[in-house]
Amino acid sequence: EIVLTQSPGTLSLSPGERATLSCRASQSVSSTYLVWYQQKPGQAPRLLIYGASSRATGIPDRFSGSGSGTDFILTISRLEPEDFAVYYCQQYGSSPHTFGQGTKLEIK
Amino acid sequence: EVQLLESGGGLVQPGGSLRLSCAASEFTFSMYGMTWVRQAPGKGLEWVSAISGSGGSTSYADSVKGRFTISRDNSKNTLYMQMNSLRVDDTAVYYCATTMGGYYGLDVWGQGTTVTVSS
Repeated sequence: EIVLTQSPGTLSLSPGERATLSCRASQSVSSTYLVWYQQKPGQAPRLLIYGASSRATGIPDRFSGSGSGTDFILTISRLEPEDFAVYYCQQYGSSPHTFGQGTKLEIK
Repeated sequence: EVQLLESGGGLVQPGGSLRLSCAASEFTFSMYGMTWVRQAPGKGLEWVSAISGSGGSTSYADSVKGRFTISRDNSKNTLYMQMNSLRVDDTAVYYCATTMGGYYGLDVWGQGTTVTVSS
């Protein structure tokens, strides 16, 4: 089973700042198979990024993804108030299609 | 509008059974694989199980293998999860989800149904 470790667990930033979230895999994952989600309280997750770097439909361009192999990054260039949420990475490289434990992005 | 609507959650005693349903609408259900994801209270997301569009291929997380069975009825546009031998740690919101964009990643989600396993 591929284990995804996200860091930091909690990130405290202010609107307008840049956020950098990390997802590290226990073994190499093809970029094609790495995705990112955003989840707000009481809501289902929303797909942000697929293929490590492609934005899903309707996702603002302040969200970007990068990385390869075992290290992947989600960057939010300038935080908007609605961006404060929990972010998860997920891999489809092998079954089970595991999620990371999440990074909570909170307002400082 | 494409929609997934889960039902069947509730309170069940440890060792009991429950069947979840996920009704799909406004898309050709049989063309898409489906996935169940769960989230325990205050915890992160956990991938549970997936099934191909035809129903011929299934996969499970180790935590539910042998206890849960995923299935689908394409004539009814409905996905199911039969959950047996339920444990307290199966308590969670269960989401059904699918990928319609032709890539890997779940881009359509239901609103979730809550399963509580408690005596």
